[in-house]
Amino acid sequence: EDQVTQSPEALRLQEGESSSLNCSYTVSGLRGLFWYRQDPGKGPEFLFTLYSAGEEKEKERLKATLTKKESFLHITAPKPEDSATYLCAVQGGANSKLTFGKGITLSVRP
Amino acid sequence: GAGVSQSPSNKVTEKGKDVELRCDPISGHTALYWYRQSLGQGLEFLIYFQGNSAPDKSGLPSDRFSAERTGGSVSTLTIQRTQQEDSAVYLCASSLAAGHTDTQYFGPGTRLTVL
Repeated sequence: EDQVTQSPEALRLQEGESSSLNCSYTVSGLRGLFWYRQDPGKGPEFLFTLYSAGEEKEKERLKATLTKKESFLHITAPKPEDSATYLCAVQGGANSKLTFGKGITLSVRP
Repeated sequence: GAGVSQSPSNKVTEKGKDVELRCDPISGHTALYWYRQSLGQGLEFLIYFQGNSAPDKSGLPSDRFSAERTGGSVSTLTIQRTQQEDSAVYLCASSLAAGHTDTQYFGPGTRLTVL
C-alpha cells in the first residue's frame, strides 16, 4: 500500500526566511510525485509533478526535488501570500488514484 | 478555459437523508476522480472513472456510497442514509486520461454537513 508522510505538520516563517517542507513516501513503482497548494475553503491547486529521482522543478519562489524516498519543497524568501497548506501525493504501480499526505500548513508573517 | 466545477458548494442535511453531489469536469478530460477530505485527514480516494466506466471503486467506504458518470462528462456521487461520519469536503478532479501520469485538476469541493 502506498504511503505518504509530510513533516512538519505546521510551519511558521518570517517573511524572507527560507525553509523546506518534507514529503517521505513508500510506493511500489513510482509513476509520479505531485505537489499541490490548498488555500482555506478551496480545492487543491497543482504546483509540480516529479517523475524520477534527481529531478528538480522550479516556479517563482518554490523548488521541488525528488529522491528515491522523499521529496522536498524548498521555499526561498517566502512572502505572506505563500501562506497555505501544501499537499504531497504519489501515484504508483497500476493505480490511477493519488495517495496524499496530510499536508503542511505554512504561515508566513510579514 | 473553465476548470472543474462542483455543486452545491455547501450541503447541510439530516442524518438518514440521501444526498447527491455533482461534478462537471474540464472539457475534454476523460478521467474523473472523487476524493474526500475530512478534518485533520488527508485526501482519501473514493472512485475514478475512465469515460463512463469505473475501473477502481476501492475507496468507497460502504455500500451507501455510489457514483455514476454519463456521456463521459458530468458525474454524480450519491450518499444514501447519510451518517454524521460522512461529514467532509468532497472533492472532484479530472485529468486528460487515466492509466498514465496525467495531472489531476481539482474542483472547489462540496462541504457536506450531516446533522
